[in-house]
Amino acid sequence: RKEVEQDPGPFNVPEGATVAFNCTYSNSASQSFFWYRQDCRKEPKLLMSVYSSGNEDGRFTAQLNRASQYISLLIRDSKLSDSATYLCVVNIDNAGNMLTFGGGTRLMVKP
Amino acid sequence: NAGVTQTPKFQVLKTGQSMTLQCAQDMNHNSMYWYRQDPGMGLRLIYYSASEGTTDKGEVPNGYNVSRLNKREFSLRLESAAPSQTSVYFCASSSFPSGGTDTQYFGPGTRLTVL
Repeated sequence: RKEVEQDPGPFNVPEGATVAFNCTYSNSASQSFFWYRQDCRKEPKLLMSVYSSGNEDGRFTAQLNRASQYISLLIRDSKLSDSATYLCVVNIDNAGNMLTFGGGTRLMVKP
Repeated sequence: NAGVTQTPKFQVLKTGQSMTLQCAQDMNHNSMYWYRQDPGMGLRLIYYSASEGTTDKGEVPNGYNVSRLNKREFSLRLESAAPSQTSVYFCASSSFPSGGTDTQYFGPGTRLTVL
């Protein structure tokens, strides 16, 4: 079983739609959680950290459910520019800051 | 402020050749990392360095060596390249353990093909 699992997609949605991605992680001792965004043939960039209480950044909302070991990302009012691959990332070892990446979920927003 | 830079951007090697991928960061970060990314798979950690002079193995270290030359630079060496090492290689850095954050910042990547 992979340590961090995501639905690879692609998710094809029209502009203005709301879309949600989920991610599950296997290590219950995981401490930190993130969503990174990766554009085609580019490097990953931090989109947002995920906090236990849930957090929002504009059109993006991230939530963490420790009991069920899953993380979610909600994107409201999708834009064409949101088209990218979204990587779920978990820090399972705070001592060494070793991040474990999911395989990514590809989002395509169509006009 | 360039962030994390990597050279070269592209490289084609023949099986058995050696090469070194260079990475430098100008953010005064303590920790640096090397990852590889293969189609359909997440980034996998090859090696990391928590401080100058220290290095540790990650998930997939076989076939690679690293050097933390100074605080700014962290190089990855392939001594005898194999087709299985065809991949995109990303270098990253983080202020961890200081700075109160474990966010990692990535370089633009090196696309390596081994024939």
